[in-house]
Amino acid sequence: DTEVTQTPKHLVMGMTNKKSLKCEQHMGHRAMYWYKQKAKKPPELMFVYSYEKLSINESVPSRFSPECPNSSLLNLHLHALQPEDSALYLCASSQGAVGHYEQYFGPGTRLTVT
Amino acid sequence: KNEVEQSPQNLTAQEGEFITINCSYSVGISALHWLQQHPGGGIVSLFMLSSGKKKHGRLIATINIQEKHSSLHITASHPRDSAVYICAAGGTSYGKLTFGQGTILTVHP
Repeated sequence: DTEVTQTPKHLVMGMTNKKSLKCEQHMGHRAMYWYKQKAKKPPELMFVYSYEKLSINESVPSRFSPECPNSSLLNLHLHALQPEDSALYLCASSQGAVGHYEQYFGPGTRLTVT
Repeated sequence: KNEVEQSPQNLTAQEGEFITINCSYSVGISALHWLQQHPGGGIVSLFMLSSGKKKHGRLIATINIQEKHSSLHITASHPRDSAVYICAAGGTSYGKLTFGQGTILTVHP
């Protein structure tokens, strides 16, 4: 199984809502990533988890809160988002958190903040 | 200047043409990644290379470490190859990828 799954596929939320994005992989990968992608732009790294510990936070606002409950699961908790946070949120995983491991991407969650 | 530069930004081809997308980088890398993204879709890893050349079907990727340059070639292009192709430099720590701006490829039948 070389698949990374993400739920939901689409999410519309108001600025006062709390919601969560979920990402799952069963490849035994020990590194997991959250990316944000705006239209016609490359992905921007948000967070990296390595062995279930947060390794990188790319100065992401606190209204985005990541969580890695176990080695297969990665969540992104959303609270008090702004309309400019509307984007495609991609999860990825790799064997290890080093640049010479291939990253496997999920299909993404398209988030709209109203 | 971006740390990873791709050219061209847009590329239009007729079916069957040979296509080349170039990538130059200025950062130290542990590997160079080529990724493909179809409209509205997720990202697929095509190649990861740290030296030489790799081939999958009609796709070929090369890298010249000394010149800090990589190319992605598509032979006998097909309309289903239409997508955004992204070059990304894999860093030497923490798995961080530094992305190029992407090349939008359109192949007409």
